[in-house]
Amino acid sequence: RKEVEQDPGPFNVPEGATVAFNCTYSNSASQSFFWYRQDCRKEPKLLMSVYSSGNEDGRFTAQLNRASQYISLLIRDSKLSDSATYLCVVNIKRGSTLGRLYFGRGTQLTVWP
Amino acid sequence: EAGVAQSPRYKIIEKRQSVAFWCNPISGHATLYWYQQILGQGPKLLIQFQNNGVVDDSQLPKDRFSAERLKGVDSTLKIQPAKLEDSAMYLCASSLTQRPLHFGNGTRLTVT
Repeated sequence: RKEVEQDPGPFNVPEGATVAFNCTYSNSASQSFFWYRQDCRKEPKLLMSVYSSGNEDGRFTAQLNRASQYISLLIRDSKLSDSATYLCVVNIKRGSTLGRLYFGRGTQLTVWP
Repeated sequence: EAGVAQSPRYKIIEKRQSVAFWCNPISGHATLYWYQQILGQGPKLLIQFQNNGVVDDSQLPKDRFSAERLKGVDSTLKIQPAKLEDSAMYLCASSLTQRPLHFGNGTRLTVT
């Protein structure tokens, strides 16, 4: 079983729509969580960290449910520029190591006019 | 602040040839990572350095891949000999300890 599972999509939504992505992780030792955004043929860029209490950054809201081991990302009022692949990332520490980041395969979003 | 620098941007080689990638992390970032991203998949960690020491290389195919970070700054990743399945984007990233990653532009490798 993969450490991080994401629905690869694609999600195709009109401008202004609200869209939500979910991600599940398998290791309860997971300690920190992130969403990265990756444009076609570009490098991933940090979108936001995910905090236990949930957090919001403009049109983006991230939630963490430790009991069910899933993370979500909600995008409100979608813009054309939101079209990208969204990567769910989990940091798992084992023993005294610094931890390793595990990336999901990404969920592809296309916003159409 | 200057970002993570990688070179080359693109490389095309034939199978069984050798190739090397270079990375210069953000100044002051102690942790440096090399990731392999195959098309349609998420990045997979190959090796993680903390200063000039290896922290995690458990997913590095050591029979053909090697990496070094001799002075705790720049790093090189080498593949020798390359296989068709090594075609991928190779991403270098750096971070302050326990902080989010900053990625370079990546090197897109095609093995024919």
